[in-house]
Amino acid sequence: DTAVSQTPKYLVTQMGNDKSIKCEQNLGHDTMYWYKQDSKKFLKIMFSYNNKELIINETVPNRFSPKSPDKAHLNLHINSLELGDSAVYFCASSPSLISNQPQHFGDGTRLSIL
Amino acid sequence: SQELEQSPQSLIVQEGKNLTINCTSSKTLYGLYWYKQKYGEGLIFLMMLQKGGEEKSHEKITAKLDEKKQQSSLHITASQPSHAGIYLCGADRRDYKLSFGAGTTVTVRA
Repeated sequence: DTAVSQTPKYLVTQMGNDKSIKCEQNLGHDTMYWYKQDSKKFLKIMFSYNNKELIINETVPNRFSPKSPDKAHLNLHINSLELGDSAVYFCASSPSLISNQPQHFGDGTRLSIL
Repeated sequence: SQELEQSPQSLIVQEGKNLTINCTSSKTLYGLYWYKQKYGEGLIFLMMLQKGGEEKSHEKITAKLDEKKQQSSLHITASQPSHAGIYLCGADRRDYKLSFGAGTTVTVRA
C-alpha cells in the first residue's frame, strides 16, 4: 500500500489553465505538506496543514490554493498557470507538528506548462 | 546564499569506492534529516540526527551530526549502483517545516 499517494504523476497543460493535484496519506498522520522542486532540484516548502488547519503559507502566490477536506487529504489547486509554475510538486506527511519526526513523501507530480 | 549548503553538488564514484557528502547550516539546527531521491520518484527517508555527536548507520550508509559546527556528513562505504541518486539534507529549525539543501547527485560507475 502506498503511504502518500499523489495524482496525477504527470500534468502537461497550457498557460492560463487551472489545474488540481490531489494527495492522500494512509498513515494516520495529522500533518501534511506541499513542496515545490524546481529544475535545479531545490526543494522548498509551500504549505503545511495540521488537522485541516493551515499552518504555513510560505509566500506562495494567491493563484495556489490548498484545500484539506480531512486530515488524510491535502489537495493543491492552481489558477491561471504560468510558465514558472513548471516544477515537480511533492506532497508529504508527518505524524504531527512536533519536531523529530520524519516526513514521508509522495512520488511527486511533474507539472509542465506549455 | 542558501541556509543549508550541500557539497559537493555532484560526484562520480567508481563502484566499490567510498564517498562522503557534507551538509552545513548557517542557522541553528535542532535536527538534521537525510533523504535520497531517485529520478521520477519521491524522497526516501534515510536517517534522522538530533543530538550533537550523534552517529547512525544503516547498511552501508553512515551519517553524523556535528552540532557545534552545525554540520552533518553522510558517508557511503563500498558504493554500489543502487546508491546512485540525489541525496538531500533537510534541517529542522523547529518552525514546522524542513528546509532542504540543493542536493548532491551521486553517480556510481561500474
